Amino acid sequence: GAVVSQHPSRVICKSGTSVKIECRSLDFQATTMFWYRQFPKKSLMLMATSNEGSKATYEQGVEKDKFLINHASLTLSTLTVTSAHPEDSSFYICSARRSSQETQYFGPGTRLLVL
Amino acid sequence: DAKTTQPTSMDCAEGRAANLPCNHSTISGNEYVYWYRQIHSQGPQYIIHGLKNNETNEMASLIITEDRKSSTLILPHATLRDTAVYYCIVRPARFIRGGKLIFGQGTELSVKP
Repeated sequence: GAVVSQHPSRVICKSGTSVKIECRSLDFQATTMFWYRQFPKKSLMLMATSNEGSKATYEQGVEKDKFLINHASLTLSTLTVTSAHPEDSSFYICSARRSSQETQYFGPGTRLLVL
Repeated sequence: DAKTTQPTSMDCAEGRAANLPCNHSTISGNEYVYWYRQIHSQGPQYIIHGLKNNETNEMASLIITEDRKSSTLILPHATLRDTAVYYCIVRPARFIRGGKLIFGQGTELSVKP
């Protein structure tokens, strides 16, 4: 099966700092990557979709200047949470797929805690 | 997007079959039914998907009704490690908004000894 990794698995940062989360497709080239956020006891919420070499498309209500997404290659996408605040503390999960007709695979998630 | 309805929670005895229902009465003809599960504090894991025909793989079987308005995921011999939240998702056709996966609330399956 397809493997998607994320780094770091968990991060603690101070309020006002920026945090970068990496998402990699290890054994396939991902034309599209997705970023989700999940709060405790809630379902996953899609934040944005990124296609390699293009600007990300953000879901309604997600601030693009707050959550910077870069999909620079077919195996790497990054999510940067800028000027993080305690309310940004959450579980961030990426997923990737080869093409629009193929299955989407998920990373293990990154737990962010902003103090 | 077609909406899905799943029971909030279910219990299953270890070793027995777990049958998880999903209602998707507004599904369109070119939309797939996908099942994922999420074990606590992990990313979702792909299980199986189908369009019209029943499907089986090493993890589970997917039974889709003839009218495609509902489906059932079957874990034939549930183990304690199958305890997770199971999500039934109708995936939009690829030409419509890129085929994103939108998660509902899912079914919390508890497998008990």
